[in-house]
Amino acid sequence: DVKVTQSSRYLVKRTGEKVFLECVQDMDHENMFWYRQDPGLGLRLIYFSYDVKMKEKGDIPEGYSVSREKKERFSLILESASTNQTSMYLCASSQDRGLTGELFFGEGSRLTVL
Amino acid sequence: EDQVTQSPEALRLQEGESSSLNCSYTVSGLRGLFWYRQDPGKGPEFLFTLYSAGEEKEKERLKATLTKKESFLHITAPKPEDSATYLCAVQPGGYNKLIFGAGTRLAVHP
Repeated sequence: DVKVTQSSRYLVKRTGEKVFLECVQDMDHENMFWYRQDPGLGLRLIYFSYDVKMKEKGDIPEGYSVSREKKERFSLILESASTNQTSMYLCASSQDRGLTGELFFGEGSRLTVL
Repeated sequence: EDQVTQSPEALRLQEGESSSLNCSYTVSGLRGLFWYRQDPGKGPEFLFTLYSAGEEKEKERLKATLTKKESFLHITAPKPEDSATYLCAVQPGGYNKLIFGAGTRLAVHP
């Protein structure tokens, strides 16, 4: 079974802090994604990556950056956390570059920014 | 503008009471429509992919169908363990990203 592991399930940070969310997948998938999930808004794509050292902006990239130095690892960085970034963050991976909808998700990281 | 709308927002059923969840979409072309199940505090779990109108997929008590404008997730004789949020997502043609609906929260009571 594919496993996508997110390093932290729950985090509490202060406004202005730098935040790192780590994600590792163990099935050699090409594609990795970061979403945020907020009540009533559904999942919104922040960034995605089709290859090592490659990244593309999703629908809401402002305030975020990403890093993919190794194929299995995709990190989300909040350079200066703000209260409106309080959310559930979900990492996902998929194998098929053309059809990216069969995603395997991690358990999520719930971030609270005070 | 590409859009996905799920209804109802929440649904309460008695065990054994069959029903359907709706996912209506407006996209320029459709590469695929996807259903996911999400349990509280967990990430979504992939259920089905549908590619073209008329297609149907089944898994245990769940059956997904697709028309040109909407998809239905039919739940037959549900059990309490079917309680979850069900998410629908579409991938527009020529577009390597998904558009998710807000989900339907299903509660099945004994």
